[in-house]
Amino acid sequence: SYVLTQPPSVSVAPGKSATISCGGNNIGSYSVHWYQQQPGQAPVLVIYYDTVRPSGIPERFSGSNSGNTATLTISRVEAGDEADYYCQLWNSDSDHGVFGGGTKLTVL
Amino acid sequence: EVQLVQSGAEVKKPGESLNISCKTSGYSFTRHWITWVRQMPGKGLEWMGIMYPGDSDTRYSPSFQGQVTISADKSISTAYLQWTSLKASDTAIYYCARSETGDQSSGSDYWGQGTVVTVSS
Repeated sequence: SYVLTQPPSVSVAPGKSATISCGGNNIGSYSVHWYQQQPGQAPVLVIYYDTVRPSGIPERFSGSNSGNTATLTISRVEAGDEADYYCQLWNSDSDHGVFGGGTKLTVL
Repeated sequence: EVQLVQSGAEVKKPGESLNISCKTSGYSFTRHWITWVRQMPGKGLEWMGIMYPGDSDTRYSPSFQGQVTISADKSISTAYLQWTSLKASDTAIYYCARSETGDQSSGSDYWGQGTVVTVSS
C-alpha cells in the first residue's frame, strides 16, 4: 500500500521558517492535505489540495507538492505553532486514504 | 455553523460490540463524505474508512476492512462506526470528519471532538 514518510520531529527557533516534508512515490501526482493537531485536540486542516489555505489559517502556512515530496512551510514560526503535523492524501489507485506518520514541531 | 458532535467515551470488555456516533448539523449531510480516523494512545492518525451518505458508497482501508462497519442514517444526519467484537487493540480515540467538498479526495475541514474507546477486561 502507499506509504507517506514524514520526519518524526522538526525543531525551529521562533521567527524562523519550518519546513515539514512528506515523501511518497510520485506524490506530486496526488492532492496532499496537511493537518495540525495540538495536544488533546482534534486535528485542524491547515492546507488542502497542496497549496490552499482554509479561511482562518494564517498566511504563514503554505504548501507545495512536486515529484516525490510534498512540503508544508510555516514562516515566522510562533510558540503556538508547536504541534503535530500530518500529511494525508487519497490514493485513487487503491481507493482509500492514507496519513503520514506525523511530525512533531518543536519551537525552541 | 457546521458541527460534528460525537458520542461519549466508552469502556468495554473484549468481545463486546460497540456503535459510536457522529451527529452532524449545519450543512447538507448527504453531499459531503464522512471519514473515520483512529488515533491509538500516543500514536499518529490512521485513516480507517469513508462513506458518502448520499448513496452509502463506502470505502475502507485494507487495515480496517472487515474489522469495522461504517454506516449512516440520513434522516438524522448521523454517521456511525461499529464493531461486533472488540479487542484490547481497539483502544483509541476515534474521530469523524467531513470532506471539504463532495469529492472523497478532498481534505477534511470539520472534525468531531473524538470518542475515547477503552477496551479492557
